[in-house]
Amino acid sequence: EIVMTQSPATLSVSPGERVTLSCRTSQSVSTSLAWFQQKPGQAPRLLISAASSRATDLPARFSGSGSGTEFTLTISSLQSEDFAVYYCQQYNNWPWTFGQGTKVEIK
Amino acid sequence: EVQLVESGGGLVQPGGSLRLSCAASRFTFSTYWMTWVRQAPGKGLEWVATINQGGSDKYYMDSVRGRFTISRDNGKSSLYLQMNSLRAEDTGVYYCARDVGDRWGQGTLITVSP
Repeated sequence: EIVMTQSPATLSVSPGERVTLSCRTSQSVSTSLAWFQQKPGQAPRLLISAASSRATDLPARFSGSGSGTEFTLTISSLQSEDFAVYYCQQYNNWPWTFGQGTKVEIK
Repeated sequence: EVQLVESGGGLVQPGGSLRLSCAASRFTFSTYWMTWVRQAPGKGLEWVATINQGGSDKYYMDSVRGRFTISRDNGKSSLYLQMNSLRAEDTGVYYCARDVGDRWGQGTLITVSP
């Protein structure tokens, strides 16, 4: 099983700041990696697939990068609606696996 | 707009069974892989199972293999999860999702407790 490690666990940020979230996999997943956003009481929302492909209607401030075992989700200027938990997921190998999540909270 | 609606959740005793359903609409269901993901209270997301378009290929997380069965009825645009021998650690919200998760349902809560 591929182990996903997200860092940091929690990020305290002020609106307007640039945010960089990290996801590391225990073995290469090529670019078969997705990022999800989840707000309290809501289902997850796909942000990025194939490591860097933005979902339909996703604001341009979100971007994904990386390949192999190191991946990054960047939010160029954090908006109030972006405070949430972010998960990465690999779908290159069975079983698919999620990271433990990074909570982005208001500073 | 794509819609996924789960049903079938509830309270069940350890060792019991439940069958979850996910009704899909506003897209061509038969052309997509479909997935179940769960989330224990206050915890992260956990992939449970995935099925291919025709239902011939099924994949499970280790802890549910042999207890859970994913299936689909393309004629009814529906996804199912038959859950047997339920354990306390199966408690959580169960989501159905399209493909690798480009669309999700609202989830249905399963509570396994005496």
